[in-house]
Amino acid sequence: GDSVTQMEGPVTLSEEAFLTINCTYTATGYPSLFWYVQYPGEGLQLLLKATKADDKGSNKGFEATYRKETTSFHLEKGSVQVSDSAVYFCALSDLSWGKLQFGAGTQVVVTP
Amino acid sequence: GAVVSQHPSRVICKSGTSVKIECRSLDFQATTMFWYRQFPKKSLMLMATSNEGSKATYEQGVEKDKFLINHASLTLSTLTVTSAHPEDSSFYICSARDRNRAFGNTIYFGEGSWLTVV
Repeated sequence: GDSVTQMEGPVTLSEEAFLTINCTYTATGYPSLFWYVQYPGEGLQLLLKATKADDKGSNKGFEATYRKETTSFHLEKGSVQVSDSAVYFCALSDLSWGKLQFGAGTQVVVTP
Repeated sequence: GAVVSQHPSRVICKSGTSVKIECRSLDFQATTMFWYRQFPKKSLMLMATSNEGSKATYEQGVEKDKFLINHASLTLSTLTVTSAHPEDSSFYICSARDRNRAFGNTIYFGEGSWLTVV
């Protein structure tokens, strides 16, 4: 079945550092790929998405490119802020249903 | 933007009792809602897909008689945990699919509900 693998956390960074969170997937079809963010005590918010190969999703300084050849969707941000401290989930979904398969989540802690 | 509201946000109940969690889409119609469960420091596990006007579709390993799902209207789905046990304590999150928007922008999550069974 479909699955998502994320790098384990926690990832601890200083403010203004470069952030990369690796995400790879396995899928039988051509899924859409998502990054969700969960701030402490809150639900999930969509951060960015890509629906086909070579698409780049971007939002709030975060970027991720749908790489079909490496089955990856790594999340990057050039300069993190303390407010970016959260848990980040990579996810994939079959177009027809909208069910999301989540990775394990990566906690990011940004220190001043 | 679209909002999905869950209620209650936190609930404590005694073992053996039942507790209901509501998931509402506030400004859009959702023919499909999804219920997830999240264990501490773990990922989200899809429990079931809730379809308006029909029976829910449960994922493998989820007890349908224990986790009752009702989707009686286009804006409301409920999850009832029956005869709750301490191991049912978890964070439950719903998501709703906006029937009127193109896929990719349609899934919205609620704030989640913390259930503690004592």
